[in-house]
Amino acid sequence: AQSVAQPEDQVNVAEGNPLTVKCTYSVSGNPYLFWYVQYPNRGLQFLLKYITGDNLVKGSYGFEAEFNKSQTSFHLKKPSALVSDSALYFCAVRGYSTLTFGKGTMLLVSP
Amino acid sequence: DTEVTQTPKHLVMGMTNKKSLKCEQHMGHRAMYWYKQKAKKPPELMFVYSYEKLSINESVPSRFSPECPNSSLLNLHLHALQPEDSALYLCASSPQAIFEGYTFGSGTRLTVV
Repeated sequence: AQSVAQPEDQVNVAEGNPLTVKCTYSVSGNPYLFWYVQYPNRGLQFLLKYITGDNLVKGSYGFEAEFNKSQTSFHLKKPSALVSDSALYFCAVRGYSTLTFGKGTMLLVSP
Repeated sequence: DTEVTQTPKHLVMGMTNKKSLKCEQHMGHRAMYWYKQKAKKPPELMFVYSYEKLSINESVPSRFSPECPNSSLLNLHLHALQPEDSALYLCASSPQAIFEGYTFGSGTRLTVV
């Protein structure tokens, strides 16, 4: 069975500082990993994905994620946080028929 | 068109009502999904349709009845719901390839009174 874990319920960061939202995964076979963001009362928006190739994946809104096979991690990063980045972030792993989500991490960026 | 459109955006219904949620996509995706999401929790999978056939039912109560009339439309029929069914209902679609992600709609906020 595949799974992802997001160890932090909430991450707080000041605007302009770098941010990291952590995710670790457990899969048999090749991992297909995704990050989604959800703003209040909205659906999930795709940020980026790792399929194969470069370990540093660039996505929407200046976000990037680093895939680390030895640590089975796929952490989301951004060099300089914005207040508008405050939202709920989900890491997910794709299986044959389904997308399995982590519990989510609330990111709060303070002015 | 790269969107999944869900209607209505908000729905309030009584426990004896019958209502339907609608989802539409025109991206040619052949897999469509219904998820239920409670506040600040991850989406929970309810149903999966693949090529218009129900392929996964995650032991959802029969008061929720999905329907896929064609490759672009997905409905969720609701009947005799309970207050605990109040949630955000999300529709999603995807290509069949395992390395493709899902495209989500904005959801229907359902309140059962």
